[in-house]
Amino acid sequence: GQQLNQSPQSMFIQEGEDVSMNCTSSSIFNTWLWYKQDPGEGPVLLIALYKAGELTSNGRLTAQFGITRKDSFLNISASIPSDVGIYFCAPLEGGTSYGKLTFGQGTILTVHP
Amino acid sequence: EAQVTQNPRYLITVTGKKLTVTCSQNMNHEYMSWYRQDPGLGLRQIYYSMNVEVTDKGDVPEGYKVSRKEKRNFPLILESPSPNQTSLYFCASSRGWEGETQYFGPGTRLLVL
Repeated sequence: GQQLNQSPQSMFIQEGEDVSMNCTSSSIFNTWLWYKQDPGEGPVLLIALYKAGELTSNGRLTAQFGITRKDSFLNISASIPSDVGIYFCAPLEGGTSYGKLTFGQGTILTVHP
Repeated sequence: EAQVTQNPRYLITVTGKKLTVTCSQNMNHEYMSWYRQDPGLGLRQIYYSMNVEVTDKGDVPEGYKVSRKEKRNFPLILESPSPNQTSLYFCASSRGWEGETQYFGPGTRLLVL
């Protein structure tokens, strides 16, 4: 099966710093999703990417769908305390696995005021 | 209010005692899914359903059953729970597939002794 690696596993940063995290896979995907999970809550969709090379922004968040379709990254600029949480990438499979969603291991973000 | 509800929120049980975790959504969504979340492993998909009477296995279906007799409900059944099924479980739903926003329930924390 496909392998999905998300890094880093955790980050401790100061408020105002920029953050970057990425996911790489051994398989090709048609869609990459990025979710955030606040403590004690379920994940919430942040950004969806549908085309290789696509660069999409949502406020201070920017995500890109890698050209090879095997990777994606998420950047957060000028971090603030409410950015704390766990960030997950989740590429979508197609074909016979239509509907199957795999999540990365998550990046735990801590922001110090 | 549009939402996904799960019951119970917390459950302590013993090995072998059958249990059901209910999931219900009031958004007329076609797609529903169950995940388990374990430290360091992210969220792993257990089962998903593209529509009524249509269910498919995710990455970790062993030891679980689901049914989708009605559009709004997608119960997760553990016929004979074991300690390795101790986890945090999330139900989610979305209008369709291919990057549609998935709405997650609040989670069910299960402890199997």
